[in-house]
Amino acid sequence: AQSVTQLDSQVPVFEEAPVELRCNYSSSVSVYLFWYVQYPNQGLQLLLKYLSGSTLVESINGFEAEFNKSQTSFHLRKPSVHISDTAEYFCAVSPSGGSYIPTFGRGTSLIVHP
Amino acid sequence: DGGITQSPKYLFRKEGQNVTLSCEQNLNHDAMYWYRQDPGQGLRLIYYSQIVNDFQKGDIAEGYSVSREKKESFPLTVTSAQKNPTAFYLCASSIQGGNEQYFGPGTRLTVT
Repeated sequence: AQSVTQLDSQVPVFEEAPVELRCNYSSSVSVYLFWYVQYPNQGLQLLLKYLSGSTLVESINGFEAEFNKSQTSFHLRKPSVHISDTAEYFCAVSPSGGSYIPTFGRGTSLIVHP
Repeated sequence: DGGITQSPKYLFRKEGQNVTLSCEQNLNHDAMYWYRQDPGQGLRLIYYSQIVNDFQKGDIAEGYSVSREKKESFPLTVTSAQKNPTAFYLCASSIQGGNEQYFGPGTRLTVT
């Protein structure tokens, strides 16, 4: 079994400031890690994922996340946020074998102020 | 365009009525999932299916039922036994043994 903890339910930040959304997980097996983004009244979209290889993964819109196995973390960062980044962000973990069924965190609401 | 469709976007029902939510995908994915989303609780898995004519209960299956007669379709029925059915429902799919999920736009169900 695995679990995901998103440490902040809400993160307010000013436009062009850096941001970090925190995610910690626990699992007894090897895992894949994901960040999804959800805009109001929409479904989730994959932002980035870690499967293997380089521990630093990047998205096309400037977000990055680093897999830290010793700290069991997968924090999401962006050096300069835009108003359009305002959304709900979900961290998810799935076992790297077997059923692959993911477990989602409770989400972090990123609110970007002008 | 390939993707997942859910209909309707908004659904209103009276308490005591069963209601069926539609989910269709043309991504040729083997696996499909239903999640319930409530404010501050993230996504909770209701049912999933990894192959046609087979499905498994998730973490909160009580009061829900599903069928998987076609690869493209995975309808969810919210029965009158579900004590608190008002929520946002999300359908997703993935390749068999896959890692990332593709989500539909969701259906917001309100039961009064």
